[in-house]
Amino acid sequence: GENVEQHPSTLSVQEGDSAVIKCTYSDSASNYFPWYKQELGKGPQLIIDIRSNVGEKKDQRIAVTLNKTAKHFSLHITETQPEDSAVYFCAASEGYQKVTFGTGTKLQVIP
Amino acid sequence: GAVVSQHPSWVICKSGTSVKIECRSLDFQATTMFWYRQFPKQSLMLMATSNEGSKATYEQGVEKDKFLINHASLTLSTLTVTSAHPEDSSFYICSARDYRTTSGSGNEQFFGPGTRLTVL
Repeated sequence: GENVEQHPSTLSVQEGDSAVIKCTYSDSASNYFPWYKQELGKGPQLIIDIRSNVGEKKDQRIAVTLNKTAKHFSLHITETQPEDSAVYFCAASEGYQKVTFGTGTKLQVIP
Repeated sequence: GAVVSQHPSWVICKSGTSVKIECRSLDFQATTMFWYRQFPKQSLMLMATSNEGSKATYEQGVEKDKFLINHASLTLSTLTVTSAHPEDSSFYICSARDYRTTSGSGNEQFFGPGTRLTVL
């Protein structure tokens, strides 16, 4: 089955700096890679996703890159704000198969 | 956007009792709903996949007789924790997939807000 590794487990950045979270996956058949933001006591919220036919996708301050050859994908948050503080999960899936989650990254943005 | 609700948001029960958690897709029809369990500071662990009108598919290690799942309609799935014990205390989260999605793999899942279960 799919295995998704995520690094780092915790990340502290100064407000205004950029944050990068990296994930690797094991199943070369995976073709859908969503990223979720989870605030304390709440369910995960989809913030951006990318499919295997695209190398990069951007939505305002958030961008995701995908390297299919290396089986790496990353989340980039620019101009971080305190409200970006949360736990972020990457995930991977193939077609309509179940989604496998990474272990999560706790991001702290220091004002 | 796609909205998923859960009820209740939190529940406290005595050991040995059963608890039912509801998951609803509010503005779309979901042929598939997923149930996850999340322990503190850990990732989401898939418990089962629920397809409307058919039996749920449970992940390895999840007791199907203890965690009863019913998906009777395209907008409602329920998870019943039977004979709950303190070790069942956790954050239970459902998600739903919109079968109408036609772009790409159509595998977007939308999550509910979660249900905090505490078994005394």
